[in-house]
Amino acid sequence: SAVISQKPSRDICQRGTSLTIQCQVDSQVTMMFWYRQQPGQSLTLIATANQGSEATYESGFVIDKFPISRPNLTFSTLTVSNMSPEDSSIYLCSVDPPYGRGEQFFGPGTRLTVL
Amino acid sequence: GEDVEQSLFLSVREGDSSVINCTYTDSSSTYLYWYKQEPGAGLQLLTYIFSNMDMKQDQRLTVLLNKKDKHLSLRIADTQTGDSAIYFCAESRPGANNLFFGTGTRLTVIP
Repeated sequence: SAVISQKPSRDICQRGTSLTIQCQVDSQVTMMFWYRQQPGQSLTLIATANQGSEATYESGFVIDKFPISRPNLTFSTLTVSNMSPEDSSIYLCSVDPPYGRGEQFFGPGTRLTVL
Repeated sequence: GEDVEQSLFLSVREGDSSVINCTYTDSSSTYLYWYKQEPGAGLQLLTYIFSNMDMKQDQRLTVLLNKKDKHLSLRIADTQTGDSAIYFCAESRPGANNLFFGTGTRLTVIP
């Protein structure tokens, strides 16, 4: 399995500010995903981050609000920009290991509260 | 429909079996998964089943797949208080690299 860490684990932020979440994997992976889990809800995919190309965003999510970096095969960042209370969620990164058995592994998540 | 559906809540007594059900959407899904989320934690992959199988057993966990009805279930034998968590089913769909998640079932184990 892949071991994934995220920083910060939680944060409380003021409205209008931005927060960058880091995701680090212990092995090289092609695809990394960023999901959002709003309180009491399921997971919704924000975007897919591929190394060497721009992230692919899902409907309802835009690059200006959620810029993503993917500088190498083991690391990605997600920024939540100009935050509002509606952005309060758990943000999770996930990886699809290259050995192709279909599993996806998740980081521990970043719990964000926007005041 | 587009949604992967699950019952929201399930309560069982410690030592009983739990059965969590899921209805998925795409009959050509290749893999189906069960994840566990404990309070304040990320998602832990419990088990998965390839779509050409109809059953998979792994210790206390049994996954049953009915492709005709697009129905997936997770049975936990001898349920323990440590099994209390939210359980998500998820499917992979052709042409998409990400997973599509159900609404989650909150399992409460009563001592």
